[in-house]
Amino acid sequence: DAKTTQPPSMDCAEGRAANLPCNHSTISGNEYVYWYRQIHSQGPQYIIHGLKNNETNEMASLIITEDRKSSTLILPHATLRDTAVYYCIVRVVAFGNEKLTFGTGTRLTIIP
Amino acid sequence: DGGITQSPKYLFRKEGQNVTLSCEQNLNHDAMYWYRQDPGQGLRLIYYSQIVNDFQKGDIAEGYSVSREKKESFPLTVTSAQKNPTAFYLCASSIPQQETQYFGPGTRLLVL
Repeated sequence: DAKTTQPPSMDCAEGRAANLPCNHSTISGNEYVYWYRQIHSQGPQYIIHGLKNNETNEMASLIITEDRKSSTLILPHATLRDTAVYYCIVRVVAFGNEKLTFGTGTRLTIIP
Repeated sequence: DGGITQSPKYLFRKEGQNVTLSCEQNLNHDAMYWYRQDPGQGLRLIYYSQIVNDFQKGDIAEGYSVSREKKESFPLTVTSAQKNPTAFYLCASSIPQQETQYFGPGTRLLVL
């Protein structure tokens, strides 16, 4: 699975959009981009994933660049409960490759 | 409610003692996973199982053992051979080749 690079920390004002970047310059054509988040001392929570098209769900939007070498997770109206560590993961979805490789992620702090 | 339960929330181990962490899911998922998380770090895969009575080593299996006698249950034993067991242990499950893994709340293991 390709390696990802994320900034170690970010702040965002409550009510504003939080934009979390992820670099995955070695991504291959069959690898998906996943985002999970982990609130302190809890299990990680799935947010969203995509292959090459932009995706949106009730939690967030995922913007993947045309060359697929980077992506941005957007939380449109951040609340204090969005304070967490956000992990960007790249993986092939295939039988026998079920592992999620978590890096150190981005610690997002929402400021009141 | 469907989900993954882990027990206990906190567990204390004495030197030389084996301890077993419980993980149960009622999501009817075939695949289950155990991850370890150290402070400020991402998750590392210990063991995973894609089907009952079968399991594979992850990246850091030494000092751990698992069993998968039932679809719903995937207990992890931390043996005395694991010299640095203090960590946060997370269990997850998924349908093989499905996009997402669902995580339990975790068990924090401390050595006395």
